[in-house]
Amino acid sequence: DVKVTQSSRYLVKRTGEKVFLECVQDMDHENMFWYRQDPGLGLRLIYFSYDVKMKEKGDIPEGYSVSREKKERFSLILESASTNQTSMYLCASSLGGGVHEQYFGPGTRLTVT
Amino acid sequence: GIQVEQSPPDLILQEGANSTLRCNFSDSVNNLQWFHQNPWGQLINLFYIPSGTKQNGRLSATTVATERYSLLYISSSQTTDSGVYFCAVEPGTGNQFYFGTGTSLTVIP
Repeated sequence: DVKVTQSSRYLVKRTGEKVFLECVQDMDHENMFWYRQDPGLGLRLIYFSYDVKMKEKGDIPEGYSVSREKKERFSLILESASTNQTSMYLCASSLGGGVHEQYFGPGTRLTVT
Repeated sequence: GIQVEQSPPDLILQEGANSTLRCNFSDSVNNLQWFHQNPWGQLINLFYIPSGTKQNGRLSATTVATERYSLLYISSSQTTDSGVYFCAVEPGTGNQFYFGTGTSLTVIP
């Protein structure tokens, strides 16, 4: 079974802090994704990565950056957290090579005060 | 970008009842997935179904790509089926999935 893990289930940070959200997958997947989920808006893609050190902007990249130094790990960085970044953050991975079925981690509920 | 609409937005069922959830999309797609989000927020894969019909126990799904819709059938519903069901599509021109806003299902005993 594919396993995608996220570093925290719940996180509380203060406005202006730098925040790191970590995601690890154990199935040698090429593709990894970060989404945020907000009530009434569904899931929206922030960034994705096709390979180590590769990244692509999704629909809402403003205020975020990412890092993928190793194939199994994809980090989401909030350089200076703001209250409008309070949300549920979900990481996903897919095999690649034409196989795009996505598998999700358990999510991190981030509150910025 | 592609539009993904799910209906109904909310659904309340008596345990044992059957239901059909619908996902309409505005453009051609390469891939389509159905997910169930449980009360703890975990998204669970139900079906990866760009076309055709698949069944898994009490659940089945059909995608008619030429008519731009997919259906998820839940038979003999159980309280554990409660949660939000999402449809996600990957357009023919592109390489990311777009999600609908979900159908919130509540199954009451």
